[in-house]
Amino acid sequence: AQKITQTQPGMFVQEKEAVTLDCTYDTSDQSYGLFWYKQPSSGEMIFLIYQGSYDEQNATEGRYSLNFQKARKSANLVISASQLGDSAMYFCAMREAFFSGYALNFGKGTSLLVTP
Amino acid sequence: NAGVTQTPKFRVLKTGQSMTLLCAQDMNHEYMYWYRQDPGMGLRLIHYSVGEGTTAKGEVPDGYNVSRLKKQNFLLGLESAAPSQTSVYFCASSYSKGSSYNEQFFGPGTRLTVL
Repeated sequence: AQKITQTQPGMFVQEKEAVTLDCTYDTSDQSYGLFWYKQPSSGEMIFLIYQGSYDEQNATEGRYSLNFQKARKSANLVISASQLGDSAMYFCAMREAFFSGYALNFGKGTSLLVTP
Repeated sequence: NAGVTQTPKFRVLKTGQSMTLLCAQDMNHEYMYWYRQDPGMGLRLIHYSVGEGTTAKGEVPDGYNVSRLKKQNFLLGLESAAPSQTSVYFCASSYSKGSSYNEQFFGPGTRLTVL
């Protein structure tokens, strides 16, 4: 079974600073996908960024980038120029194969608080 | 497009009562999912469906049943609610298996309390 580990229960960052949220994974599959979702206090799940295991370059989406180190099995999310609105829970997830399809296996999340 | 919608948004049940959560998507997605989110646990997969008329068990299926009679709808049923089923329930949908991207689009969630 695959496993996603987020070791930082909570993180603080000052506005306009960059922050890295850690995610490590464990899989024996050669082909896999890694996702990051944001969950603000309002509760909805917002897709941020995706990295495929065969992608040669690290994924980027605006202020979000994914530091993908395949040999270390890590997929850290980097948020540049943090904003107050970035305060939220952040979940790392891996696409997992089930018997007849695919679903996401989520980590336990990291709570990020951006301070003025 | 409404995306993924869930009804109801909130519900309080007594132990032993039954209820059905409805999920609807208007993106013509093949795959649909039900997750539960508990404090400190992340999201865990309850059941999923890879197409109309098909369902399968996820990580935590006990105490739940599902049905997918129409492609756009995925129902989650609790036949006899227990306090351990107090949680926030999320429905999600995604493109077909052929897509390696497989981004999941989530509904707003249903907060269920079982007394």
